[in-house]
Amino acid sequence: IAGITQAPTSQILAAGRRMTLRCTQDMRHNAMYWYRQDLGLGLRLIHYSNTAGTTGKGEVPDGYSVSRANTDDFPLTLASAVPSQTSVYFCASSDGPLYGYTFGSGTRLTVV
Amino acid sequence: GENVEQHPSTLSVQEGDSAVIKCTYSDSASNYFPWYKQELGKGPQLIIDIRSNVGEKKDQRIAVTLNKTAKHFSLHITETQPEDSAVYFCAASRNSGYALNFGKGTSLLVTP
Repeated sequence: IAGITQAPTSQILAAGRRMTLRCTQDMRHNAMYWYRQDLGLGLRLIHYSNTAGTTGKGEVPDGYSVSRANTDDFPLTLASAVPSQTSVYFCASSDGPLYGYTFGSGTRLTVV
Repeated sequence: GENVEQHPSTLSVQEGDSAVIKCTYSDSASNYFPWYKQELGKGPQLIIDIRSNVGEKKDQRIAVTLNKTAKHFSLHITETQPEDSAVYFCAASRNSGYALNFGKGTSLLVTP
């Protein structure tokens, strides 16, 4: 079934540890995005990539990094996790900015 | 940057009644306005979208209206059913290079 796969589904992480959230799509979409979802704050953009080889910063990029080596994969790395990064993380992809997103099922991350 | 405001934050209706969720946006260059439905434990799913060259779009029980002059757009759900209970997000974006900006969401509860 075409779509987006995120891994892991959930994770408890010690503060200070490094963590990579994985995201893979099989729809050959050009654009990919990472959002975090927090209660009362909605979905906030962390980083995006309009095409393989390019990335850009969103609204809340501090403490996160991304790479886009190919069309299908868009990993999100927390270099040194802090408790404020406790959130649900969603990866999404689209054919472009004027097309709807397909979202993954999310990664629930707890930093303790 | 774009600012999308969404109201109300919670909405409770009886089964069979209509529900209306409203959003305003700040960037007059925005030209794509999707709506997403998020069920508990899942990623958001696109339910309907509208582009700035049309004023209204309908798909069965859901419809979206757009007023570009006033910079607001609305989601209308008629004949609501308990399975419509979810969190709904509006979003806005403009041309190439810009990701979606989301409202903070509306939690809709449809009671039997």
